[in-house]
Amino acid sequence: AQKVTQAQTEISVVEKEDVTLDCVYETRDTTYYLFWYKQPPSGELVFLIRRNSFDEQNEISGRYSWNFQKSTSSFNFTITASQVVDSAVYFCALSEVFTGTASKLTFGTGTRLQVTL
Amino acid sequence: NAGVTQTPKFRILKIGQSMTLQCTQDMNHNYMYWYRQDPGMGLKLIYYSVGAGITDKGEVPNGYNVSRSTTEDFPLRLELAAPSQTSVYFCASSLTVSGANVLTFGAGSRLTVL
Repeated sequence: AQKVTQAQTEISVVEKEDVTLDCVYETRDTTYYLFWYKQPPSGELVFLIRRNSFDEQNEISGRYSWNFQKSTSSFNFTITASQVVDSAVYFCALSEVFTGTASKLTFGTGTRLQVTL
Repeated sequence: NAGVTQTPKFRILKIGQSMTLQCTQDMNHNYMYWYRQDPGMGLKLIYYSVGAGITDKGEVPNGYNVSRSTTEDFPLRLELAAPSQTSVYFCASSLTVSGANVLTFGAGSRLTVL
């Protein structure tokens, strides 16, 4: 069975600090996808990134960066110079890979990030 | 482009009542999903559909029913509401692409059963 663990329930930082959200996953599949979604206070889920298990390159998008390490089954998310608008719950998720079938995501329990002035 | 639209946004039910959560997408996505989110928990898959007329159970289907008569609509029905069904419900959709699909979520429907 697949499992995603986000051990950090809540993190509070002051604006402009860097923050890393941890994600550890378990799967028996050799091929899989990992995701990060953001849930701002308004409640909707916003897609941030998708990474497949064959691609261990780190990715940077503006102030966001992701560190995928297959050896430790981790897919951590770093926000550089955090801003108040980054305050949200962040979910890591894992999906099996079957071309042409539905993506049944397994979500972690989320990390609530609070950025204050 | 509206994306995924859910109604109602909020609803309070009494134990034993029934209701339907509506979900419509205008992106011509063939896959649709219903998830529930309990406080402090991640989202859990209730039901999903790979196309009109085809539905299948997810991780937590008990107490719910779905139908998919059109590509656009995927309603979720609660027949006999129970307090354990108090949750936030999210509908999502995705398009067939190679590998795992990116889900587009609706804004959620908050249901309270008293």
